[in-house]
Amino acid sequence: DAKTTQPNSMESNEEEPVHLPCNHSTISGTDYIHWYRQLPSQGPEYVIHGLTSNVNNRMASLAIAEDRKSSTLILHRATLRDAAVYYCILRDVLNSGYALNFGKGTSLLVTP
Amino acid sequence: DTEVTQTPKHLVMGMTNKKSLKCEQHMGHRAMYWYKQKAKKPPELMFVYSYEKLSINESVPSRFSPECPNSSLLNLHLHALQPEDSALYLCASSQERTADTEAFFGQGTRLTVV
Repeated sequence: DAKTTQPNSMESNEEEPVHLPCNHSTISGTDYIHWYRQLPSQGPEYVIHGLTSNVNNRMASLAIAEDRKSSTLILHRATLRDAAVYYCILRDVLNSGYALNFGKGTSLLVTP
Repeated sequence: DTEVTQTPKHLVMGMTNKKSLKCEQHMGHRAMYWYKQKAKKPPELMFVYSYEKLSINESVPSRFSPECPNSSLLNLHLHALQPEDSALYLCASSQERTADTEAFFGQGTRLTVV
């Protein structure tokens, strides 16, 4: 299975942009890059996903490197409610990889 | 309806008890999952059901017994658990055999084994 590497923790000020990096140097051509987050005492929730092109949705943006070996989740204006653990996960339907296998994730602290 | 509903929210059981966790979704998803999450750790995949058939068992001890009676319902039967099995048990669902859609998670059942 292709693995991801994320910083253990990051800190941001409220209302500032946050860039959460993820390295996935062994990514295969059929791996989708997914991001989920888990707020305290809740189940994980979907944030965004992409394959090759950058993606935007109401929650965040996903910037994917041209060689796809890394990606960055961008929260445009962090709020206190964005404090969570963010997981970058590779998902590949070809190798029964449609199940999400979580790595350690990045714990994001947002300060007022 | 984009919810995955898990019941109960909290469960305390003794080591000789038998109990069941329940998970329900009405999104037409044909892949359903059980995860176990210990405090301050990421969720760990336990089982995957695809079209009501067990497709992945991540070497989970037999004291955990999954069941998928229909396409909307997933159960996890618990028997003779140990205190170290205390954890948050999460259920999830997604469209089957595609990596291009999101998975939906329930809020979990917090299990305490005494």
